[in-house]
Parts: sequence; structure tokens; C-alpha cells
Amino acid sequence: GEDVEQSLFLSVREGDSSVINCTYTDSSSTYLYWYKQEPGAGLQLLTYIFSNMDMKQDQRLTVLLNKKDKHLSLRIADTQTGDSAIYFCAEIMDTGRRALTFGSGTRLQVQP
Amino acid sequence: DGGITQSPKYLFRKEGQNVTLSCEQNLNHDAMYWYRQDPGQGLRLIYYSQIVNDFQKGDIAEGYSVSREKKESFPLTVTSAQKNPTAFYLCASMTTRQISGANVLTFGAGSRLTVL
Repeated sequence: GEDVEQSLFLSVREGDSSVINCTYTDSSSTYLYWYKQEPGAGLQLLTYIFSNMDMKQDQRLTVLLNKKDKHLSLRIADTQTGDSAIYFCAEIMDTGRRALTFGSGTRLQVQP
Repeated sequence: DGGITQSPKYLFRKEGQNVTLSCEQNLNHDAMYWYRQDPGQGLRLIYYSQIVNDFQKGDIAEGYSVSREKKESFPLTVTSAQKNPTAFYLCASMTTRQISGANVLTFGAGSRLTVL
């Protein structure tokens, strides 16, 4: 079955790098996603990676995928106070229902 | 600008009442979704619809109902049978990116339901 897990909380200092980790269980995932949620708002897509890729970089964001260990990470370089939010990883499978399964979210707190 | 509009943003309900949350999109997306968000539990799928006049149950459909009479609209009714309805409800729609082929969800701003 589908299961996506994340740690609940991460605190970093402004200017440092943040690394948010995620594990998933289903090897038939085709795409894996990172979404950001600010307080009281909906989710915004940050980036996604196809399951046959190892890495994707987009400005300050780097996504690493270890398909063997079913481990996904999001690295935010030069973390700013505006990056404080909840970050969700999600997967979609190649078979079955066409819906994203989300992790529980990691709350990133950036200290000035 | 294209997007997803959810209303109302805040809603209070007495126990035993049904309430309907509105979701409208002008993105011309075929698929629409309802998720429920509780603190520390992430998002859980309630119902989804891949096409007009058709919808499927998600993981926590009990106590909820939906309809999909138009492509643009996917309202969610929280019935009195839902035992713990206080939550943040998120509507989304999905498209497939032309170049990469990725399926991407676009979310509304959410509706917060509180049962008194």
C-alpha cells in the first residue's frame, strides 16, 4: 500500500541550508513532489522529480531521489525567514487511482 | 487569472447539520479532488473525480458526499454522519504537464470548518 513518511519539525538558522527528508513505500511511484504550505493557505507546488532521475536542481532547491532506499530529500540553500512553512512530499503511482498521496508534512522554522 | 476558488473560507456548523463546501475551477482541468487536513496528519483524500458525472471514494469518504455535474464545479457536503468534521478542507484539480508528462495538483486556498 501507499505510505509516505516525514519528520514533523525542523529548525534552522537564516542563511543555513535546510534538508527535509521523506520516505515512501511504493516502488511504482512515477513522480514525487514537494509542496509548500504557508499558514492558513492552500499548498503550492515547489518542484517534482520523475522516478528515473536521481537529482533535480531549481535555483535554491535541490531534490535528491534514492530509488533503492525509497528516500526523497529537499535541500533549500541559503534558507530565509520567508521559507518558514510546512513542506509536504507526495507521490503518484503509475497504476490504480490517479491521486497524490501526501506525507504528514515537515514544519520548517527559520530562526533569524 | 485561472485558479481554484473555495468558499466559504470559514464556516461554523452546529452538530447534526449538513454543510456544503464549494469548489470552482476555471483551469479546464478534468480531474478534481477533496482532501482533509488535520494537524500532524497531513492530507487525506476524501473523494475524487476524473470526469464529469463520475467520482470515486478516497481513503476517508464516510460521512461525506460529492457531485460533479459540471467540469468546473466539485462541491463537498459534510453530513451529520461525519463524526469529527472540524478540519481544514482543501480542493484541488489536476493537469498533465505537456513537456514532462507530470501530473500536477493545483490547490484552492482551503475552507476551515468548525463544529460547535
